[in-house]
Amino acid sequence: DQQVKQNSPSLSVQEGRISILNCDYTNSMFDYFLWYKKYPAEGPTFLISISSIKDKNEDGRFTVFLNKSAKHLSLHIVPSQPGDSAVYFCAAIPSSNTGKLIFGQGTTLQVKP
Amino acid sequence: GAGVSQSPRYKVAKRGQDVALRCDPISGHVSLFWYQQALGQGPEFLTYFQNEAQLDKSGLPSDRFFAERPEGSVSTLKIQRTQQEDSAVYLCASSLGTGHYNEQFFGPGTRLTVL
Repeated sequence: DQQVKQNSPSLSVQEGRISILNCDYTNSMFDYFLWYKKYPAEGPTFLISISSIKDKNEDGRFTVFLNKSAKHLSLHIVPSQPGDSAVYFCAAIPSSNTGKLIFGQGTTLQVKP
Repeated sequence: GAGVSQSPRYKVAKRGQDVALRCDPISGHVSLFWYQQALGQGPEFLTYFQNEAQLDKSGLPSDRFFAERPEGSVSTLKIQRTQQEDSAVYLCASSLGTGHYNEQFFGPGTRLTVL
């Protein structure tokens, strides 16, 4: 069973516009949520996180929103830049855990110049 | 500053062969994780080490998979009698602490292809 789901395999946006990547989860016991970015032939790199006790976290052009009642989180990138083109993974950490990450399937973002 | 390194970067094995994948974590990092990423999917947890102790191996898909970290630094993931479904990218990640949340730094992965 997929505990973390990213239902959009791909997203294409114009440079300068907002990119919104979505993620849904099924487990209420997740403590933290993270977004990772991955370029081809590289490992994922951490982008931004949010604790389950918050509903928003902002870091520069990146903002993550958490809606616990809907079990939904989203990543907003504004303004989008061509260098943001990558695969984005949503991940979660269960509360009773050593820190292992449970990933979604990923969304490929293409930002067109 | 060295990040997490993995070797080999690419490995082609014939079905039935044994393979060994190496991970060099960031120096001083206590925690080490292995993940398996199938094509078009997100990484899936395999196993976790705190120093040399393997504290969680719940994600290992079968007893053909074995991981070790004997001195609490370098780790090796061994797959015996490889099968086609083992084809995937194997990612290693390390983190500084042992607490509930510490940022994991990933290596570039080893792409294993089983023919």
